[in-house]
Amino acid sequence: GAGVSQSPRYKVAKRGQDVALRCDPISGHVSLFWYQQALGQGPEFLTYFQNEAQLDKSGLPSDRFFAERPEGSVSTLKIQRTQQEDSAVYLCASSLVVAGGQETQYFGPGTRLLVL
Amino acid sequence: TQLLEQSPQFLSIQEGENLTVYCNSSSVFSSLQWYRQEPGEGPVLLVTVVTGGEVKKLKRLTFQFGDARKDSSLHITAAQPGDTGLYLCAGALRNDMRFGAGTRLTVKP
Repeated sequence: GAGVSQSPRYKVAKRGQDVALRCDPISGHVSLFWYQQALGQGPEFLTYFQNEAQLDKSGLPSDRFFAERPEGSVSTLKIQRTQQEDSAVYLCASSLVVAGGQETQYFGPGTRLLVL
Repeated sequence: TQLLEQSPQFLSIQEGENLTVYCNSSSVFSSLQWYRQEPGEGPVLLVTVVTGGEVKKLKRLTFQFGDARKDSSLHITAAQPGDTGLYLCAGALRNDMRFGAGTRLTVKP
């Protein structure tokens, strides 16, 4: 069956460019998470959606980061005026149920962003 | 700064050896999960532990949750090259999971 897909898989941006990263969660999954994984580190939480509602965006590092999930399915993470420190792998995960800490999160393969 | 500290950071062993990796925190978690991540892929959930002192076994992997729910360990018996990967622990806080930096395990044939 189809898992979580992300596109593009790789993105090279010039500093100052805007980028948009797409996540297609597993169909019917209520919860969607975005994480940022720097080289040699574990994933860092960015934001959480329950259906179309963004319930937690406490992990977004600055106001240059914006995420949406307008119809409760596909989600887009947008980064404006990219900086070199934004270079990382951006992971999306979805789960069938409302987030509570014990649910299984299914991760996509990630988008590797390199800002030059 | 990672909320969860994992050790060792890197581990290279021969096939057939046993190993234990650790995940420690000063925070109490409602649950803790272990994931394995391979290059170019997202993490894959191995196990969720919920109760303090809980032990779960998954074939050659044994997971333990500390009594105080602040730490956990993963023990692998008779490691195989297919066990190679990045092992991540993650603790549940409200809506999100907080990950450690991981232990990168290499099992040599």
